[in-house]
This record gives sequence, C-alpha cells and structure tokens, in this order.
Amino acid sequence: QVQLVESGGGVVQPGRSLRLSCAASGFTFSGFAMYWVRQAPGKGLEWVAVISFDEINKYYADSVKGRFTISRDNSKNTLYLQMNSLRTEDTAVYYCARDVRQQLVCGPDDWGQGTLVTVSS
Amino acid sequence: DIVMTQSPLSLPVTPGEPASISCRSSQSLLHSNGYNYLNWYLQKPGQSPQLLIFLGSNRASGVPGRFSGSGSGTDFTLKISSVEAEDVGVYFCMQVLQTTFTFGPGTKVDIK
Repeated sequence: QVQLVESGGGVVQPGRSLRLSCAASGFTFSGFAMYWVRQAPGKGLEWVAVISFDEINKYYADSVKGRFTISRDNSKNTLYLQMNSLRTEDTAVYYCARDVRQQLVCGPDDWGQGTLVTVSS
Repeated sequence: DIVMTQSPLSLPVTPGEPASISCRSSQSLLHSNGYNYLNWYLQKPGQSPQLLIFLGSNRASGVPGRFSGSGSGTDFTLKISSVEAEDVGVYFCMQVLQTTFTFGPGTKVDIK
C-alpha cells in the first residue's frame, strides 16, 4: 500500500535552514505529482508547494516563494523541501502527499503522518 | 488567489441523520475539460487529512458511499446521507484549478 514517511523536522532558530524529506513506497513514485502541505498548531491546512511527476513544473505559495524549494529524486523515491530564511510563522506540521491521478495535478490523495517544524529563538 | 469559504464552520450532527457542508469559491472552478477542480478532505482528530471527493464529485478509493459531492462553478456541497460516529472531524474543501492551491477554513463536525 502507499506509504509516505516525512522526516527532518525539529526546532530551528529564525533565519536558519532546514530540509525535509519524504520517503515514498508502495507506488510508482516517478508517475505522480507530489505536494507539501502544512498546518500551524490549531489552524487549518495551507498548501505549500507542488512538483510535477517529471520535475518540470514547480509551484509555490506566495508565503514561501523565494525561500522554499521543492525537489524530488525519482531514483530514490524521495521528495524534499528545502526551507531557508525560516520565520516563526513557518512553525507547523508539514505533510507530504501524492496526487490522486497519475501524471496529472488533481490534488493530494494519500498523505504522510507529518513532521513538526518549530521556528523559535 | 482564489478564496474559498465554507459554511457552516461548526456542525453538530445526529448519527443516522443526513448532513451537508457548503463550499464557495471566489472564481469558477470549472475547467474547459468539464471537470470542477474542487476536492473535499476530512481530518479526523489526531490524524492526517484524507481525500473524500476529487474533481467535484468523484469518490476517492475506499470512501464509503454515504459521502457525495456535487455542484459546479463556484458553489459546491458535500453530503453525508446518514452520519456515523466515525465521521467526526474537520472537513476542508480545496481548489486545485489555479496552481496557488487554496483550502477553505474548515467545518468542524461533531456529535450532538
């Protein structure tokens, strides 16, 4: 079955960097667009970034554009989120998710369990 | 960006009774291919979100038949034909038409 396991979260000071990883298994990773979605403590869901199955297209929320970079390594079945210049408002649980449709962008389907990022001095 | 709104924001339900949630978008979500790019998610307490409905009215794999999605353009509805206790949680709609995807604020469903 589909498994998505995030890692790399932790406590980091404002202005510093962090890289999240999402290890995928149980499906043909290279065939699906992948997402990062975050949820601040006690708040709703906020889409962060999406990358197409072939890595050609990448899109970001305005709140992270220029600071975060989404990437993937299809040979390692792994999704990444490089987060630079972190701010306190980036504190959230970060989920990775797989698209519902192969080779298309139709929205997240399967989600990981999330990894908590806390930005605090 | 497309702004998503939901109503109500809180919905007490009675098991066995129907329930519905409304979602509205600030712009039409109807694609030229005929699909409405609107998804519904449920986040149960302490869990990751799960996809219920995609592209307006398509039930995701494993989703019970009591859940259905309808609507077109800017007005959408999620219906639960007969609520069960396990349906409690927060329901979110999400537009996936514009590639600055946006979620609604969420509707908290709990048992009366």
